[in-house]
Amino acid sequence: EAGVVQSPRYKIIEKKQPVAFWCNPISGHNTLYWYLQNLGQGPELLIRYENEEAVDDSQLPKDRFSAERLKGVDSTLKIQPAELGDSAVYLCASSDRDRPSWQFFGPGTRLTVL
Amino acid sequence: SQQGEEDPQALSIQEGENATMNCSYKTSINNLQWYRQNSGRGLVHLILIRSNEREKHSGRLRVTLDTSKKSSSLLITASRAADTASYFCATTDTDNYGQNFVFGPGTRLSVLP
Repeated sequence: EAGVVQSPRYKIIEKKQPVAFWCNPISGHNTLYWYLQNLGQGPELLIRYENEEAVDDSQLPKDRFSAERLKGVDSTLKIQPAELGDSAVYLCASSDRDRPSWQFFGPGTRLTVL
Repeated sequence: SQQGEEDPQALSIQEGENATMNCSYKTSINNLQWYRQNSGRGLVHLILIRSNEREKHSGRLRVTLDTSKKSSSLLITASRAADTASYFCATTDTDNYGQNFVFGPGTRLSVLP
């Protein structure tokens, strides 16, 4: 079974530039999560999708961050414009309805904003 | 803000020794989980313990949960160099059963050969 796929693995951009991250969850997993992980810290939830619906985006900075999961499968997280403080690892995870507490994580995208 | 707080922040031991990490949390929980993260990689689920359980084992892992003290511990026995990683506890509270995780800052374990 393929795991959660994320791309790119690394991204370096200058501040004020836009950036997008892509995630393909495990096949059949209806729930998809985007997390932000700062260096030396645990992941913090940005947004959770149930199928194509964003059911919790309370921690997503909506002035510059946006996300979509149009067909309820893969998802894109965008930052526009990026700021220096956005440098972090962006993790995607998924889970299925039978075991919602068991999240499977992708390898993450490490973003560096210069 | 993060609910779970792991202790210690960093731990260095020799191969073959046991490693114990602790996690404290603040609110009532449905379950608590431990994850491992190798450098530059995603998190890997290790073990889940429900709020009505007190102890669980999985291979060389032993997890305890004390809901009266709002704390959990992860014991790795006979550690190996490959156990070197960061370990995080994550909780789901009674308002978001099985859904939103709250992670602690993690314990960075180094196992020296």
